[in-house]
Amino acid sequence: AQSVTQLDSHVSVSEGTPVLLRCNYSSSYSPSLFWYVQHPNKGLQLLLKYTSAATLVKGINGFEAEFKKSETSFHLTKPSAHMSDAAEYFCVVSENTGFQKLVFGTGTRLLVSP
Amino acid sequence: SAVISQKPSRDICQRGTSLTIQCQVDSQVTMMFWYRQQPGQSLTLIATANQGSEATYESGFVIDKFPISRPNLTFSTLTVSNMSPEDSSIYLCSVGGENQPQHFGDGTRLSIL
Repeated sequence: AQSVTQLDSHVSVSEGTPVLLRCNYSSSYSPSLFWYVQHPNKGLQLLLKYTSAATLVKGINGFEAEFKKSETSFHLTKPSAHMSDAAEYFCVVSENTGFQKLVFGTGTRLLVSP
Repeated sequence: SAVISQKPSRDICQRGTSLTIQCQVDSQVTMMFWYRQQPGQSLTLIATANQGSEATYESGFVIDKFPISRPNLTFSTLTVSNMSPEDSSIYLCSVGGENQPQHFGDGTRLSIL
């Protein structure tokens, strides 16, 4: 069985400071891992994905995540937060083959203050 | 990536009634997925819809409550039947190809009075 744990329900940062959203996963298989973002009253947008290629994955809007198998982690980072980054972020795991059934974390709400 | 349109974007319904949510994709896709996001919660998969076959439901979801149609490769509907306040949620459809990430519509925000 697969599962994802997002370690923080809320993260608050100031604009211009680094962002770190933490995610640990559990998977019996070689996993695919994703980060999605949900802005208010919107659907989910894919930020980035890891599918067993490079362990450091770069996504949209300056976000990146590093897959660390030894730590079963896939933390999301951004060097400098922008006000528009305020949203809900979901870490997601799936099997690395076929039509991927997604298992979602509980989400982390990122708050960005001026 | 595919462009996914959901209708309606939001609705307020009376308990005991049913609502059908439509999901239209701008390209042919094999698999479509329906999710529920309860207030303040994460997403839970309701069912997977493959064109030409019965939808596959996850544990805790049944066809009588959430009937799904998938008449062609660009369209699917989810019906929420005999609604109660507990059905107040965001319902999202997504599409994904083999070994490809899923992409989501903007969702349908449903409130039951």
